[in-house]
Amino acid sequence: DSGVTQTPKHLITATGQRVTLRCSPRSGDLSVYWYQQSLDQGLQFLIQYYNGEERAKGNILERFSAQQFPDLHSELNLSSLELGDSALYFCASTQGTVSSGYTFGSGTRLTVV
Amino acid sequence: AQSVTQLDSQVPVFEEAPVELRCNYSSSVSVYLFWYVQYPNQGLQLLLKYLSGSTLVKGINGFEAEFNKSQTSFHLRKPSVHISDTAEYFCAVAGRAAGNKLTFGGGTRVLVKP
Repeated sequence: DSGVTQTPKHLITATGQRVTLRCSPRSGDLSVYWYQQSLDQGLQFLIQYYNGEERAKGNILERFSAQQFPDLHSELNLSSLELGDSALYFCASTQGTVSSGYTFGSGTRLTVV
Repeated sequence: AQSVTQLDSQVPVFEEAPVELRCNYSSSVSVYLFWYVQYPNQGLQLLLKYLSGSTLVKGINGFEAEFNKSQTSFHLRKPSVHISDTAEYFCAVAGRAAGNKLTFGGGTRVLVKP
């Protein structure tokens, strides 16, 4: 157990639907990162939050959004889902400095049918 | 901006043989370097990281990596692999500023054969 908890582990939904992925960071970690892992794109950075505020954006589609709550858990919302959104979505947390290292959760596997 | 190139997408290797996974990076700023392992149907686990100091970094499970600034490389090695080392390995880089994101290479799939 890495200390980063992601739920649900698996999600199957239909095209056009909306889903919410949840991430609870490791205790004491203020920063949360979201990554998408797909066969064709590899591991892509989506977005980062630090203590409730958005810090950096990567290759995140406009149909996707995220937030970090006061208790530091984060949610990634994916809407108007397409087949190509099927992927493994990872959350990672860190205390805030790069050198402290990133701890990854076990991921949420999203399948859009 | 940073980028990472893992030169081999797949590496088959026999059990107890050595393995080297190659990683080259590009960055306009000083970086930290990482290797992660992903076992089938699992998340990413940190193997080792280079922050500063000695260019030879030792990690978990007998892995080590060498940072070469002039060649902008961070190759991963293990002198003798086990069946359990079958996994995908990712090299990653992050700028040294606080909160900088990890940029990953495309991954190298290692298949250890008996």
